[in-house]
Amino acid sequence: KAGVTQTPRYLIKTRGQQVTLSCSPISGHRSVSWYQQTPGQGLQFLFEYFSETQRNKGNFPGRFSGRQFSNSRSEMNVSTLELGDSALYLCASRRDRSNTEAFFGQGTRLTVV
Amino acid sequence: GESVGLHLPTLSVQEGDNSIINCAYSNSASDYFIWYKQESGKGPQFIIDIRSNMDKRQGQRVTVLLNKTVKHLSLQIAATQPGDSAVYFCAENWVTGGGNKLTFGTGTQLKVEL
Repeated sequence: KAGVTQTPRYLIKTRGQQVTLSCSPISGHRSVSWYQQTPGQGLQFLFEYFSETQRNKGNFPGRFSGRQFSNSRSEMNVSTLELGDSALYLCASRRDRSNTEAFFGQGTRLTVV
Repeated sequence: GESVGLHLPTLSVQEGDNSIINCAYSNSASDYFIWYKQESGKGPQFIIDIRSNMDKRQGQRVTVLLNKTVKHLSLQIAATQPGDSAVYFCAENWVTGGGNKLTFGTGTQLKVEL
């Protein structure tokens, strides 16, 4: 059974650009959450999607957005990139909203220069 | 406010000894708490969780203790092995807005010495 797949694994972007990251959850999982991990702030919740609807959102500016498709795959987009957006972006999937165990992907390492 | 913090940033133990990783939390509204293990270059891996109405739960070589009176969570690892070397995060989960939200602690680096 394949795990959570995130693409790309590594990305380098220039300030002001935008970026789209992709996450394919475990087959059968319908809930997808995104997290940002940095040495200074640790793991911070970005947003959660279930049934193509955003259910929760963390304390991030509107430059951070996401969506979920009918096959549960999810994308997150960051517009007008800033140096401080450099981080490991992690996606986690759950079977459904009530399930306690979240499975994480290996993340996308974004570097903004 | 929402915050989950860890007491120690680094913990070194001898192989075969027991490890105890501690975590303090401040939000009493969480419905359960989870421990994750993160190895270098990988995403966090679920270890064990405990519901807020429990005070102890055991898994394979791991035990989680929850003390709601002092808002303290701990992870005990028995017979620590080199493969246990990783960063350990505690996290609290609560259901809000029809979904789940995880708040993570800052992490403890566990180093197992041979």
